[in-house]
Amino acid sequence: GQNIDQPTEMTATEGAIVQINCTYQTSGFNGLFWYQQHAGEAPTFLSYNVLDGLEEKGRFSSFLSRSKGYSYLLLKELQMKDSASYLCAAGDDYKLSFGAGTTVTVRA
Amino acid sequence: EPEVTQTPSHQVTQMGQEVILRCVPISNHLYFYWYRQILGQKVEFLVSFYNNEISEKSEIFDDQFSVERPDGSNFTLKIRSTKLEDSAMYFCASTTDSGANVLTFGAGSRLTVL
Repeated sequence: GQNIDQPTEMTATEGAIVQINCTYQTSGFNGLFWYQQHAGEAPTFLSYNVLDGLEEKGRFSSFLSRSKGYSYLLLKELQMKDSASYLCAAGDDYKLSFGAGTTVTVRA
Repeated sequence: EPEVTQTPSHQVTQMGQEVILRCVPISNHLYFYWYRQILGQKVEFLVSFYNNEISEKSEIFDDQFSVERPDGSNFTLKIRSTKLEDSAMYFCASTTDSGANVLTFGAGSRLTVL
């Protein structure tokens, strides 16, 4: 089975940096994914890690430690439009399993 | 940019009625999925589908649910006899390869069971 934990909510100021942590316990793990979901909309892909280390993609970076079952998503230079839910998801051979999501609120 | 298309965007039905949700995956994708999200809750896996067969299904995907790829483009989810607790947003997704690969999601079909 899959067990994926991430904080429920985070608040940050426009222009700041926020780090969303995710821990996972899965069987058949082969990748860690981050998706963004605005209210009432579909999840959209942000970043993923297959190997340990940091993947940088513009203002968003994601880190993975497979031995620790740990990942984080780093959002830099926060903008108001970044207010959304951020979903951590672990991949196996047949599916992605999602965490409950972290709601990030960006304040002016 | 290619996208996954879902219809209807919103369906209201009476408890006990059959519902079919339709999806057109991205044309060169081979792996298809249905997920659901009850309001305020997490995105839950229902079923994955490849080569006209179910690859994996969750405990939620009981005998009331079925999937079909009736032609070369459509992928459908049928709920035979809807229950109140089936009210949710249903997302279809597709990808070129299974396992560690990026899923592209459709905009979702909101199902309301009265």
